[in-house]
Amino acid sequence: GENVEQHPSTLSVQEGDSAVIKCTYSDSASNYFPWYKQELGKRPQLIIDIRSNVGEKKDQRIAVTLNKTAKHFSLHITETQPEDSAVYFCAAKVGGNEKLTFGTGTRLTIIP
Amino acid sequence: NAGVMQNPRHLVRRRGQEARLRCSPMKGHSHVYWYRQLPEEGLKFMVYLQKENIIDESGMPKERFSAEFPKEGPSILRIQQVVRGDSAAYFCASSPKQGHTDTQYFGPGTRLTVL
Repeated sequence: GENVEQHPSTLSVQEGDSAVIKCTYSDSASNYFPWYKQELGKRPQLIIDIRSNVGEKKDQRIAVTLNKTAKHFSLHITETQPEDSAVYFCAAKVGGNEKLTFGTGTRLTIIP
Repeated sequence: NAGVMQNPRHLVRRRGQEARLRCSPMKGHSHVYWYRQLPEEGLKFMVYLQKENIIDESGMPKERFSAEFPKEGPSILRIQQVVRGDSAAYFCASSPKQGHTDTQYFGPGTRLTVL
């Protein structure tokens, strides 16, 4: 089955700087890659997603890039703010299969 | 995604009791997924259901766990004879019937504590 690895597990960034979180996946048939943000005790919230027919997608300060050849995708957050502090999860979905396989999460801390 | 409802939000059970977790998907969504999250870990897929059908239960433990999504009413995740290792947050997600069916929106979760 699909396996998703996520790095780093923790990341501290000065407010205003950029943060990058990387994930790799194992199944070349994966075609959907969402990113979720989870604050302590809260639900995972979808912040951005990308499908395998595009290489990059941007939404204000958040962007995701996908390299299908290398089977990795990354989340980029620019101009970080204290409210960006949370745990971020990447996930992948194999085409024809509805379940999401999640990475182990990155705890992002923005230092004021 | 605020539309996915789960109850109860917190559930405490003693070993050997039964736990019933309920999930109402967003309006217009007919696909429901259950995930389990252990403390400090990621989410693990358990089961995928559509109305009256279990589509994929490859992540469900073979014993004590069952799920249903009846024609009327919420989806139910049932855990019989709970053990301490069942303590976790259980999240339900839903996705629409048409359009971007990939996108899954999560509910607030049920935090199960087994004493």
